Amino acid sequence: NAGVTQTPKFRVLKTGQSMTLLCAQDMNHEYMYWYRQDPGMGLRLIHYSVGEGTTAKGEVPDGYNVSRLKKQNFLLGLESAAPSQTSVYFCATQRMGGGQPQHFGDGTRLSIL
Amino acid sequence: TQLLEQSPQFLSIQEGENLTVYCNSSSVFSSLQWYRQEPGEGPVLLVTVVTGGEVKKLKRLTFQFGDARKDSSLHITAAQPGDTGLYLCLTYNQGGKLIFGQGTELSVKP
Repeated sequence: NAGVTQTPKFRVLKTGQSMTLLCAQDMNHEYMYWYRQDPGMGLRLIHYSVGEGTTAKGEVPDGYNVSRLKKQNFLLGLESAAPSQTSVYFCATQRMGGGQPQHFGDGTRLSIL
Repeated sequence: TQLLEQSPQFLSIQEGENLTVYCNSSSVFSSLQWYRQEPGEGPVLLVTVVTGGEVKKLKRLTFQFGDARKDSSLHITAAQPGDTGLYLCLTYNQGGKLIFGQGTELSVKP
């Protein structure tokens, strides 16, 4: 069982470049989330999706876009990367229903030079 | 706006010591989840507490949910280097929005 798989695991970009982070799940969970984690700031929600074809903004959505064309995949895009987006990005999934636990991938470490 | 305050933010102890981490809010929790995140990995669920006054044990870890459901604690007995990591609490507000605490970074030295 792969669970939640994030690709790539590491990436270095130059300012202004674009890239897409992929989150794939095999747990058939309805909900998917993208977070960023920075030192001393915990996990901050970027965007989330409650089902295929639907997305919503989280706490820090600026500079990011997302798509959920298939239930099992949730893509996070950076159109024009900025040094402030250097971070570790985590994807999580969750079964539908109140208070369900989150299942996380192992993260993507992204550096923007 | 419901906030989760975790304390302490950092904790560095020697192997064998006991410690307690706290997660508090000014609002009532519907339920509360505790996660541990080891270096280089994503957070993993440790436990969910739902009922006021509830106590759950996971080996050397003891989780308590306050009677008023506004606070929770995680107590580790005889800490080991393998306990090193970031401990996070998570809850949901009445609108279903999830709220993470800032985390407690624990370092257990041999």
